[in-house]
Amino acid sequence: EPEVTQTPSHQVTQMGQEVILRCVPISNHLYFYWYRQILGQKVEFLVSFYNNEISEKSEIFDDQFSVERPDGSNFTLKIRSTKLEDSAMYFCASRPRGSLDNEQFFGPGTRLTVL
Amino acid sequence: GNSVTQMEGPVTLSEEAFLTINCTYTATGYPSLFWYVQYPGEGLQLLLKATKADDKGSNKGFEATYRKETTSFHLEKGSVQVSDSAVYFCALTGGTSYGKLTFGQGTILTVHP
Repeated sequence: EPEVTQTPSHQVTQMGQEVILRCVPISNHLYFYWYRQILGQKVEFLVSFYNNEISEKSEIFDDQFSVERPDGSNFTLKIRSTKLEDSAMYFCASRPRGSLDNEQFFGPGTRLTVL
Repeated sequence: GNSVTQMEGPVTLSEEAFLTINCTYTATGYPSLFWYVQYPGEGLQLLLKATKADDKGSNKGFEATYRKETTSFHLEKGSVQVSDSAVYFCALTGGTSYGKLTFGQGTILTVHP
């Protein structure tokens, strides 16, 4: 069964450094999402992406964040200058076009630790 | 805006006990409702879903009924197993066509033998 994959599974970085989190969505899906989950807290929406542009973003998704679909298969989240509070689990999700119930399929997550 | 409220946790049960995790929501329009499960060290998996009022979602012995009159989507299971120990998230989409999910705060379930 097709699945969403994410790399790396765990990323440790120093405060102020740039990180890129990578996702490979399910191949025939057209809507892509990033969510994050700070330890012990709820899962929060960051951004949605469709037709090669951001379709919606949350207040969390400020100028330090960017997303890209560079080659038609990968979907990346970049954090330009990481802060301690960016430490969280980051989940990628994808959804096919025409899904009446908006079901999203999640990857296993990347745990980001900012020191 | 949309919001989801789950019962306060964590929940600790003995094997074969009855489980209820309450979930209520606020949303514009007619949202789709979901329960996701997160097993230790893993990502989010869809457990069940319902897309319109009075629909019942079910999977692996879990059930939840979309109640528009009470804006609720409570999760139930008649007899829990140790393997059901996980974090359960109620979630919804609605109001936009791009389908972002709004999650509740999650309920930690621990089942003892």
